[in-house]
Amino acid sequence: AQSVTQLDSHVSVSEGTPVLLRCNYSSSYSPSLFWYVQHPNKGLQLLLKYTSAATLVKGINGFEAEFKKSETSFHLTKPSAHMSDAAEYFCVVSDNQGGKLIFGQGTELSVKP
Amino acid sequence: GAGVSQSPSNKVTEKGKDVELRCDPISGHTALYWYRQSLGQGLEFLIYFQGNSAPDKSGLPSDRFSAERTGGSVSTLTIQRTQQEDSAVYLCASSIDRGPGNTIYFGEGSWLTVV
Repeated sequence: AQSVTQLDSHVSVSEGTPVLLRCNYSSSYSPSLFWYVQHPNKGLQLLLKYTSAATLVKGINGFEAEFKKSETSFHLTKPSAHMSDAAEYFCVVSDNQGGKLIFGQGTELSVKP
Repeated sequence: GAGVSQSPSNKVTEKGKDVELRCDPISGHTALYWYRQSLGQGLEFLIYFQGNSAPDKSGLPSDRFSAERTGGSVSTLTIQRTQQEDSAVYLCASSIDRGPGNTIYFGEGSWLTVV
């Protein structure tokens, strides 16, 4: 069975400093992994996805994530945080047929001025 | 439309009443999904449609919950005899088809409050 663990429920950074949101996954096959962002009272927006191509995946708004099979990790990073990055971030794994997404519990990112 | 559209955006209902939530997926998307987001439970898969059939209903929490899809497009999620624990955001999503790695696009959700 697939599962996802987001290691931090809340991360706080200062504007202009790097962002690291940690995610570990468990899967019995080569997984498809995603990061989604949810701003307050908004729907989920896809930031980026990994589907067994390049292990370093670049997404929107300057975010990127690296798939590390040996560590079963898919951490999300951004070199410099912006105030508009404050939101809830979800690490997600897809089942091997696609569609049935398994969500992590989410990491709330706060950005201080 | 340009994105996944859901209605109503907000619904307050009395315990015991039935509610219907509607989802209009992105045009041409054959796969449609319902998820539920609630405090303490995170995001849970409810049901998946491929065309008008539902090969995976494993996430529906009880027989009070049902969903249908007609014309390979619009879907309706129905909750009968609502309970307070049904209060949540119900999210609909669609993708071009069901395949690993396909991008799944979400609507903004229907906020359901059962009082």
